[in-house]
Amino acid sequence: DIQMTQSPSSLSASVGDRVTITCRSSQSISNYLNWYQQKGMKAPNLLIYGASSLQSGVPSRFSGSGSGTDFTLTISSLQPEDFATYYCQQSYNNPLTFGGGTKVEMK
Amino acid sequence: QLQLQESGSGLVKPSQTLSLTCAVSGASMSGGDYSWSWIRQPPGKGLEWIGYIFHSGKTYYNPSLKSRVTISADRTKTQFSLRLSSVTAADTAVYYCARILPSYNYYGMDVWGQGTTVTVSS
Repeated sequence: DIQMTQSPSSLSASVGDRVTITCRSSQSISNYLNWYQQKGMKAPNLLIYGASSLQSGVPSRFSGSGSGTDFTLTISSLQPEDFATYYCQQSYNNPLTFGGGTKVEMK
Repeated sequence: QLQLQESGSGLVKPSQTLSLTCAVSGASMSGGDYSWSWIRQPPGKGLEWIGYIFHSGKTYYNPSLKSRVTISADRTKTQFSLRLSSVTAADTAVYYCARILPSYNYYGMDVWGQGTTVTVSS
């Protein structure tokens, strides 16, 4: 199985901050990397697919980058509605696997 | 607009079989190169992929659950189902169904159901 490691596991930030979350895969996954946002116990919401493509309807302050084994999700200017948990997920191989999540909390 | 809605038994006894259904509305399961997936999330933990069924009917399961999992779609292609046998307390989780995009969208999961809580307890 491909292991996905996210860092940090949590972070504290203020509205307007630039936030960066990293995700590393245990082997190369090209750009088969997706990012999700989950608020509370609601269903996850797809933000980024293919490492850098913005899902329709997602604000442009979200961006993704990376290829191979190292990936980044960036929120350019954190908004109040962005406090949530973020997960990366590889879709290169079965079994599909998720990172452990990064909880973005208010400072 | 595509919507997914999970339903099924919320309380299952240990060793019994968990059964859930995901109703698909607003679009056909047969249209396009989509797959249809189940994912779960134990209390306070992260996401675990269970398996998916292709539009062709072919299925793929997480090896960690493979011996206990069956995913199927009904003939009308308006719903798909999950059966998980021999459940234990470790199977207690919120269960989500989701649509998986085609390969050119890197198989992102773009539409999710609201989730249904399943508790395994005697």
